[in-house]
Amino acid sequence: GAGVSQSPSNKVTEKGKDVELRCDPISGHTALYWYRQSLGQGLEFLIYFQGNSAPDKSGLPSDRFSAERTGGSVSTLTIQRTQQEDSAVYLCASSEDRGPEKLFFGSGTQLSVL
Amino acid sequence: AQSVSQHNHHVILSEAASLELGCNYSYGGTVNLFWYVQYPGQHLQLLLKYFSGDPLVKGIKGFEAEFIKSKFSFNLRKPSVQWSDTAEYFCAVNDNNAGNMLTFGGGTRLMVKP
Repeated sequence: GAGVSQSPSNKVTEKGKDVELRCDPISGHTALYWYRQSLGQGLEFLIYFQGNSAPDKSGLPSDRFSAERTGGSVSTLTIQRTQQEDSAVYLCASSEDRGPEKLFFGSGTQLSVL
Repeated sequence: AQSVSQHNHHVILSEAASLELGCNYSYGGTVNLFWYVQYPGQHLQLLLKYFSGDPLVKGIKGFEAEFIKSKFSFNLRKPSVQWSDTAEYFCAVNDNNAGNMLTFGGGTRLMVKP
């Protein structure tokens, strides 16, 4: 597609439920990033993929968070047993290169945990 | 771990005023530096970047930023702002010890009054 696409754009869930957030990067982009933006906070790095592998998982806040990428394209971020502090905007970005030369961001998924 | 500070959280200016947004980072080694901008209702997008060479970097829409290594700073400037510059601005840093992770500051919301 023309840009990075994320779905759903909004997700409201109950505490304790699992959620899946999807990211479709720009076609041909090998690098894919997940960030989280909480109210009034900057962007918090979660995980980075190069192809289908994740050389840097250092930002995942707990073992309730996991992510995968298949076919060097679509990525899914899964949050198990959601907590209220998980409420945030989850942003996906992709880039052509191995490094953060230039990231193209999606519009994000607004997650609200009640 | 790298940290990025943007000390101005909210800035309000009148059109034609000059702008300077501060950005300081903590890592003392080799860094790559970025400014991203998010206009209302739009995705985050790259404004300018510094990898090496001339420490004064020119970006889109008349923005520039100066890398001052001794001050660990990468401040964003524009001589004369326009109403259309109303947006949120994020400074970001990638250092050689952090792989491809891009660490963002907390952002600065700029409002330009017409």
